[in-house]
Amino acid sequence: EVQVLESGGGLVQPGGSLRLSCAASGFTFSSFAMSWVRQAPGKGLEWVSGISGSGGSTYYADSVKGRFTISRDNSKNLLHVQMIGLRAEDTAVYYCVRDAVPGCYWGQGTLVTVSA
Amino acid sequence: EIVLTQSPATLSLSPGERATLSCRASQSVSSYLAWYQQKRGQAPRLLIYDASSRATGVPARFSASGSGTDFTLTISSLEPEDFAVYYCQQRSNWPRAFGQGTKVEIK
Repeated sequence: EVQVLESGGGLVQPGGSLRLSCAASGFTFSSFAMSWVRQAPGKGLEWVSGISGSGGSTYYADSVKGRFTISRDNSKNLLHVQMIGLRAEDTAVYYCVRDAVPGCYWGQGTLVTVSA
Repeated sequence: EIVLTQSPATLSLSPGERATLSCRASQSVSSYLAWYQQKRGQAPRLLIYDASSRATGVPARFSASGSGTDFTLTISSLEPEDFAVYYCQQRSNWPRAFGQGTKVEIK
């Protein structure tokens, strides 16, 4: 069974850092691009960042470029996003997504709250 | 960067009625467009991929069409469980933008 499980969310002060992780199972992890998608409270979906299966190509939304770094460890089936310089507007549920259709899988999300 | 614009923002309909949702891209995405359904408190669910292909388990009352820049999702006869928010996403290239969503609410 395909599963993706996010972890690492929490409360962080403005300007702070946080690293989210996503543990994948049930599929050949290195064969799939992965993405992070976030959803601020009461708002729509915002694609944040993506990475190719090999990890050789990375992509970012303009809103996070230069502050977020996506990476993956294919030996451990893990996806990460390192977030620095966090702002109040980064407050959201962050979803890990197997970026494929029709085989698209979403985790249940992890909440990041940026507040003093 | 491709921008997706969904309309209307809210659609107020009764069960049994037909829903028509629109998604317009700022430049051609060919047929690389997906539709998702999201219910309150849940992760999004893939409904449609490649503009018109239903994902596994999606009822036949959901259909979609379009190519290039103009796309439509149709729900032929709304069931109570269909009242939710619907998002389109372009999958032509990176970044994988979403539309802002259309809420289908009970009238």
